[in-house]
Amino acid sequence: AQTVTQSQPEMSVQEAETVTLSCTYDTSESDYYLFWYKQPPSRQMILVIRQEAYKQQNATENRFSVNFQKAAKSFSLKISDSQLGDAAMYFCAYRRGEGYDYGGSQGNLIFGKGTKLSVKP
Amino acid sequence: KAGVTQTPRYLIKTRGQQVTLSCSPISGHRSVSWYQQTPGQGLQFLFEYFSETQRNKGNFPGRFSGRQFSNSRSEMNVSTLELGDSALYLCASSQRQGVIYEQYFGPGTRLTVT
Repeated sequence: AQTVTQSQPEMSVQEAETVTLSCTYDTSESDYYLFWYKQPPSRQMILVIRQEAYKQQNATENRFSVNFQKAAKSFSLKISDSQLGDAAMYFCAYRRGEGYDYGGSQGNLIFGKGTKLSVKP
Repeated sequence: KAGVTQTPRYLIKTRGQQVTLSCSPISGHRSVSWYQQTPGQGLQFLFEYFSETQRNKGNFPGRFSGRQFSNSRSEMNVSTLELGDSALYLCASSQRQGVIYEQYFGPGTRLTVT
């Protein structure tokens, strides 16, 4: 079974600084996707960034970038120029690739326990 | 385009009762997934519906059930509520975008069982 581990329950960063959130995963599948989701206190889960396992290039979305190390099964999120609005729970998630789909299922996300990020002004 | 909506947003029930939660996906999305979020267990997958059929199911007891209607709206039902069912229930809808899979989440329904 696939598992996702986030070893940092809480992190803190100074406004305008850079912070890296860690995530490791375990899978025997070769085709999969990895995601970082943000859940602010309002509770609406928002997709931050995604990475396809077959792509070697690390995904980047504005101030958010990932360090995807497939062999090490590591998928960390770097937030640059941190802003007060970045304060939230961050969840790392795994989803198997389309090659494993059956019965029309689009698959489910497997989440880590989350990292609570605080941003200090 | 309107996002995923969930009703009600908050609910208080008593042990032994049953509850029905509703989810309306983004227009055009045909897949709806449900997740339970608790402080102890984190986010756990409940089930997924696609074209009115359950396609995938997580490891939850039979007290948890769901269905999907022809307009893709989905409901989940929990019978014989237990204190441990207190949680935030999140619904997510998706529609394939090429080979990219994205789930868009609703705001959730906060269920408290007393």
